[in-house]
Amino acid sequence: GQNIDQPTEMTATEGAIVQINCTYQTSGFNGLFWYQQHAGEAPTFLSYNVLDGLEEKGRFSSFLSRSKGYSYLLLKELQMKDSASYLCAVSDSNYQLIWGAGTKLIIKP
Amino acid sequence: GAVVSQHPSWVICKSGTSVKIECRSLDFQATTMFWYRQFPKQSLMLMATSNEGSKATYEQGVEKDKFLINHASLTLSTLTVTSAHPEDSSFYICSAIGTEEAQSQPQHFGDGTRLSIL
Repeated sequence: GQNIDQPTEMTATEGAIVQINCTYQTSGFNGLFWYQQHAGEAPTFLSYNVLDGLEEKGRFSSFLSRSKGYSYLLLKELQMKDSASYLCAVSDSNYQLIWGAGTKLIIKP
Repeated sequence: GAVVSQHPSWVICKSGTSVKIECRSLDFQATTMFWYRQFPKQSLMLMATSNEGSKATYEQGVEKDKFLINHASLTLSTLTVTSAHPEDSSFYICSAIGTEEAQSQPQHFGDGTRLSIL
């Protein structure tokens, strides 16, 4: 079966760095997406990785290792507004997105 | 760019009512639109995939006669929840991808519709 695993909840301190991991087992791979979703709102796109390595976008970076079926989202200089759920999604062989359950990130002052 | 508008944002209605939700791509042509449902504290559940001009593909367990999807143009898809009941209360979200390099494009989401059936 197809499976995406990410931690249910994480807590971090304002100004710190946090890494949210995602492991996947899917039928085929055509890229991995990270989305941010604030409570009661729709998801917003953060990053896309299809090749191995690190993609950096300001305070957010995303890493992919296809051989390990593994990705992480790295958030630096955490701000209170970063409190949200972070969703990992993999595009499978049919280009259908398989969604993880999301990681709720709690930022404390 | 890549703005998706979803309307209405909030609906409260009586049991048995049919509710229509619209999803529009404002600045791009959407070959494919997706409809999701999300219950509180749960992840997104794909209900159906809609391609312009063809019948929607429904996920297993989703009743196509209850959740009618129409994708009549490259900028508009609608989801109609027919004869809604309290168990249909949920957060419904649409997303869309454009015509170019669709496979590597992120899905762009509407703001969602919170449906409450009394």
